[in-house]
Amino acid sequence: KNQVEQSPQSLIILEGKNCTLQCNYTVSPFSNLRWYKQDTGRGPVSLTIMTFSENTKSNGRYTATLDADTKQSSLHITASQLSDSASYICVVYNFNKFYFGSGTKLNVKP
Amino acid sequence: SQTIHQWPATLVQPVGSPLSLECTVEGTSNPNLYWYRQAAGRGLQLLFYSVGIGQISSEVPQNLSASRPQDRQFILSSKKLLLSDSGFYLCAWSVGSGSLETQYFGPGTRLLVL
Repeated sequence: KNQVEQSPQSLIILEGKNCTLQCNYTVSPFSNLRWYKQDTGRGPVSLTIMTFSENTKSNGRYTATLDADTKQSSLHITASQLSDSASYICVVYNFNKFYFGSGTKLNVKP
Repeated sequence: SQTIHQWPATLVQPVGSPLSLECTVEGTSNPNLYWYRQAAGRGLQLLFYSVGIGQISSEVPQNLSASRPQDRQFILSSKKLLLSDSGFYLCAWSVGSGSLETQYFGPGTRLLVL
């Protein structure tokens, strides 16, 4: 069964700290994996996309990694800011359909 | 550049009333279009997708329907809303092919059915 699981479900960190969000998937075949940031009440916005041959992709303070062998991805946020408070969604595409994780809700506190 | 619009931004409707949410895309041709629903604190649930005018695929049986009267217009409708239809509705479009296919989301419509 094609599934995308994210952990933790929620996370609270202090401003300036780093954090890592996890995404494990069983989707097959694999086309690409994308991380989205969704602010409360807004549509998701793309952060990174990785294809099978890529194992790391950065976008400013966001760095995503992909291990296609173990079917795991992570999103690392460096030097967190209050504006990083949002839900982060992992999405895997299998050439036919998009599979969504339920997201990690990140709360950055001052 | 491509832009996706959704309206209204928020909507409060009584149970049993009809619904019409509209989504339009600018700056691209023949996009794949999607309607998702996101319940509070939950993930995105795909409702409908369309690969062309008049072509609609339904993912989840429900009292909602979708139509694509024009290439870049996608409409979500209901004849009679249920309480369980409350949620955040997102329209998305995708472009590319194969490993580069990716989705872009609209700003969403928050629907509250009372």
